[in-house]
Amino acid sequence: GENVEQHPSTLSVQEGDSAVIKCTYSDSASNYFPWYKQELGKRPQLIIDIRSNVGEKKDQRIAVTLNKTAKHFSLHITETQPEDSAVYFCAAEGFQKLVFGTGTRLLVSP
Amino acid sequence: SQTIHQWPATLVQPVGSPLSLECTVEGTSNPNLYWYRQAAGRGLQLLFYSVGIGQISSEVPQNLSASRPQDRQFILSSKKLLLSDSGFYLCAWSSEGSQPQHFGDGTRLSIL
Repeated sequence: GENVEQHPSTLSVQEGDSAVIKCTYSDSASNYFPWYKQELGKRPQLIIDIRSNVGEKKDQRIAVTLNKTAKHFSLHITETQPEDSAVYFCAAEGFQKLVFGTGTRLLVSP
Repeated sequence: SQTIHQWPATLVQPVGSPLSLECTVEGTSNPNLYWYRQAAGRGLQLLFYSVGIGQISSEVPQNLSASRPQDRQFILSSKKLLLSDSGFYLCAWSSEGSQPQHFGDGTRLSIL
């Protein structure tokens, strides 16, 4: 079955810097890769997703890139703000489910 | 639009007591439904998922069970809670496996 690894587990940046979170997956048949943001005590919320027929997708300050050959995908946040501080989870499509990474705690310092 | 409801928001239960958490989805039919548990500061552990009424797939063997008595209702149960059952329980739905999952607000369960 699908296995997803996520790095780093913790990421600290200064406000205005960029942040990059990377994930690798094992099942070459996976075609759907969402990213979720979870603020403290809240539910995970979808922030961006990408399918295997595109290599990059952007939505304002966030972007996701996908390399199907290498089986890895990344989340890029530019011009980080304190409100970007949260735990971010990547996921890959499994059979009738999503397989989640272990999460990255992003701390943006003013 | 679709909405997902989970209750209760918080629950404090003694060890050995039973548990029933309910999740309902509105605005869609035949959704895939999921139960996750999240320990403090940890990731999302998939417990059960269901692709239809009466169809339950278990991901992790434990003292929990799940049922789907109606198309848009998903219930998580236990006959006897353990201390290790403490955590943040999240229900989610999707239209199918390759589509986004949408999470409920969660139930924070504390076992004393």
